[in-house]
Amino acid sequence: QKEVEQDPGPLSVPEGAIVSLNCTYSNSAFQYFMWYRQYSRKGPELLMYTYSSGNKEDGRFTAQVDKSSKYISLFIRDSQPSDSATYLCALIQGAQKLVFGQGTRLTINP
Amino acid sequence: EAGVTQFPSHSVIEKGQTVTLRCDPISGHDNLYWYRRVMGKEIKFLLHFVKESKQDESGMPNNRFLAERTGGTYSTLKVQPAELEDSGVYFCASSPRADSTLTGELFFGEGSRLTVL
Repeated sequence: QKEVEQDPGPLSVPEGAIVSLNCTYSNSAFQYFMWYRQYSRKGPELLMYTYSSGNKEDGRFTAQVDKSSKYISLFIRDSQPSDSATYLCALIQGAQKLVFGQGTRLTINP
Repeated sequence: EAGVTQFPSHSVIEKGQTVTLRCDPISGHDNLYWYRRVMGKEIKFLLHFVKESKQDESGMPNNRFLAERTGGTYSTLKVQPAELEDSGVYFCASSPRADSTLTGELFFGEGSRLTVL
């Protein structure tokens, strides 16, 4: 069983739609939860991170963690074509090692 | 300020050949990481340097892979001999401190794409 499960998609939505991206994980010891965005032929860049359970909002993006269900989500409101990318959830093992989900390829259609 | 740079951006080699990938971290970053994404799989951790020392190499797949960071500056990852399953994208990342991953101060390069034929 993978430590982090993420539906690879692809996911295609119209501009302005609300996007929901999700991951589940198996190890309850994980405490830090990250979302990375990766544009084509680029490296991952950090979008948001949260510690433990709860919500965190940054502009059009909201990250949500439910530790009881081992479930993390990223919501994108008013989605834009520039949001088209692969979104990767990642959990931190120890203090330094990232454990990634497979990534969801998202396309926002104008 | 320059970001993490990786070279080459793409390398095509035949099975059995040797390839060396290079990573130049952000200046002043003591922590350097190698990650790899093979086709259809998730990005996976390979190893972590603190300056010139290997802090964690638990993700290195086998002894065909050799990573070095002489002088604590740039790092190289050599694959010798390369096998078909080594094809993928190799990412390097750097951070100023060991706990920087927790605070989001971890920066990735654009990756080196390796194709083994």
